[in-house]
Amino acid sequence: EPEVTQTPSHQVTQMGQEVILRCVPISNHLYFYWYRQILGQKVEFLVSFYNNEISEKSEIFDDQFSVERPDGSNFTLKIRSTKLEDSAMYFCASSQGNSGNTIYFGEGSWLTVV
Amino acid sequence: GQSLEQPSEVTAVEGAIVQINCTYQTSGFYGLSWYQQHDGGAPTFLSYNGLDGLEETGRFSSFLSRSDSYGYLLLQELQMKDSASYFCAVSYSSASKIIFGSGTRLSIRP
Repeated sequence: EPEVTQTPSHQVTQMGQEVILRCVPISNHLYFYWYRQILGQKVEFLVSFYNNEISEKSEIFDDQFSVERPDGSNFTLKIRSTKLEDSAMYFCASSQGNSGNTIYFGEGSWLTVV
Repeated sequence: GQSLEQPSEVTAVEGAIVQINCTYQTSGFYGLSWYQQHDGGAPTFLSYNGLDGLEETGRFSSFLSRSDSYGYLLLQELQMKDSASYFCAVSYSSASKIIFGSGTRLSIRP
């Protein structure tokens, strides 16, 4: 069964450093998403991407965040200058964009900022 | 604005039935989904309601009432492996935004 894959599974970085989280969405999916989940809290929407551009973004997705689809398969989230409060699980997801709006999540990248 | 409300915790007994409610306030509502998340895992899709009424998938059913801005997830014949967090999620008229509720932690007792 096709799945969303994410790398790395866990990254530790120093405050102020740049981080790039990578994702390979399911191949025939059209919408790609990044979500964040701080430990023990809700799954928070960051951004969606469709047709090679940002479709929607939340207030969390400020200027320190960016997304890119550098080639036909990868979808990346860059955090330019990490802060302690960026420590969270980052989930990539994708969907076909049909009426069911079912989104499929990757296993997540756990980011620890120290 | 937009908001989704669901109970933070529910406890039930193995073999029983449990209902997890979700109320929402949002504009541009398209449908309501339910996701399950085990500790340390990713959310996985359970059910979707685009129209009013009941959708049944095995032991899980989901209900939507658009007029009441209300839905629920019904889990039957509870098993210990059903212990997890359950999230309702609102879809908007485009697929570009799906917003999750705060989640309900379901604990199953033997």
